[in-house]
Amino acid sequence: NFMLTQPHSVSESPGKTVTISCTRSSGSIASNYVQWYQQRPGSSPTTVIYEDNQRPSGVPDRFSGSIDSSSNSASLTISGLKTEDEADYYCQSYDSSNHRVFGGGTKLTVL
Amino acid sequence: EVQLVQSGAEVKKPGATVKISCKVSGYTFTDYYMHWVQQAPGKGLEWMGLVDPEDGETIYAEKFQGRVTITADTSTDTAYMELSSLRSEDTAVYYCATDSGPWGQGTLVTVSS
Repeated sequence: NFMLTQPHSVSESPGKTVTISCTRSSGSIASNYVQWYQQRPGSSPTTVIYEDNQRPSGVPDRFSGSIDSSSNSASLTISGLKTEDEADYYCQSYDSSNHRVFGGGTKLTVL
Repeated sequence: EVQLVQSGAEVKKPGATVKISCKVSGYTFTDYYMHWVQQAPGKGLEWMGLVDPEDGETIYAEKFQGRVTITADTSTDTAYMELSSLRSEDTAVYYCATDSGPWGQGTLVTVSS
């Protein structure tokens, strides 16, 4: 199976833009969709990006997703950072057998 | 509004079995896989398995294979996750979720003698 590696933590100031990476260890990042989930402290996760770059209804367009085959990674970009964006973010993808894999999570601090 | 509502917290003894439910509303239950995810205290998300409610087909993570059973009841639009031979390391919050939509609110399972 493969692994998804995320930075342990990132921090940025309100109003700025931050990008969180998610690198796939084996197999092509483009071969299976990537999802991104936000988990605020004490809450259940919510989906912010699905199928690489699609936003569920209600998720602001400040959130965007992309994949880069050259680095075999996916990215979640959040622009116009707000303090309410402070949360843990997890990427997820799957293999040819439909087994899901989560990244280890990235703690975003907005300071 | 799409909702996934899970059953309440459970306290179990080591060796016991727990069964958690996840009732969905607001969408066609058979349109999407239902996943179950474990989150131990202070840890990340770990995928346990999924069920395709349309035909009941299941796929389990290797870590939980043999101890987990995931089912779907299309008559009540409810998914279930049963975990057996519980041990202290299974103390965690368990979530049901779809790939692209909302998650359940989570069910805390505490395993303690």
